[in-house]
Amino acid sequence: NAGVMQNPRHLVRRRGQEARLRCSPMKGHSHVYWYRQLPEEGLKFMVYLQKENIIDESGMPKERFSAEFPKEGPSILRIQQVVRGDSAAYFCASSPRTGSSGNTIYFGEGSWLTVV
Amino acid sequence: AQTVTQSQPEMSVQEAETVTLSCTYDTSESDYYLFWYKQPPSRQMILVIRQEAYKQQNATENRFSVNFQKAAKSFSLKISDSQLGDAAMYFCAYRSSNSGNTPLVFGKGTRLSVIA
Repeated sequence: NAGVMQNPRHLVRRRGQEARLRCSPMKGHSHVYWYRQLPEEGLKFMVYLQKENIIDESGMPKERFSAEFPKEGPSILRIQQVVRGDSAAYFCASSPRTGSSGNTIYFGEGSWLTVV
Repeated sequence: AQTVTQSQPEMSVQEAETVTLSCTYDTSESDYYLFWYKQPPSRQMILVIRQEAYKQQNATENRFSVNFQKAAKSFSLKISDSQLGDAAMYFCAYRSSNSGNTPLVFGKGTRLSVIA
């Protein structure tokens, strides 16, 4: 049973370009979370999605950032017009469909975005 | 909003010795879940241990155990017989049990070094 799959693992973008990060949740999981980790910091929640729905985007910057989790395919975190401050590790996590917060959240290996 | 505080940015322990990592949290909720995650140099987020707030018994996983003090809102992690492979960042996390699935709230982490 494959874990949470993220790609690319490493991404380099010039300022002003777009970055797209993809996440395939664990099999049987329909809840996806995106977190950002700045250097020497903890993980900060960005957005929580279920299939075709954004449930909680309270941690998402208001501009340039968007996320989706379509009916088919992976969840996408999209950052438009990237700036140096966007350089960070972006972690995706998933949990099962059953509505219990006791369910463990499983993390992917992260995508490292470097903006030059 | 809930907050998680890890007051020890760095800790070190001799191999085979025991170390305790501190975590406190702030919440007005009575039911919730607490977690410790380990992030080794590979940056993968690995679940170490979890605790349900409604359980008085402290969780234990092999060499890892917690001291959960609900009234004090304290959730420390004890690592016994420390091994070189335990060297990592350790993050304490809180998850509300309200409204089904909810995201994790992380502390800033404690960097643990293990001295041979």
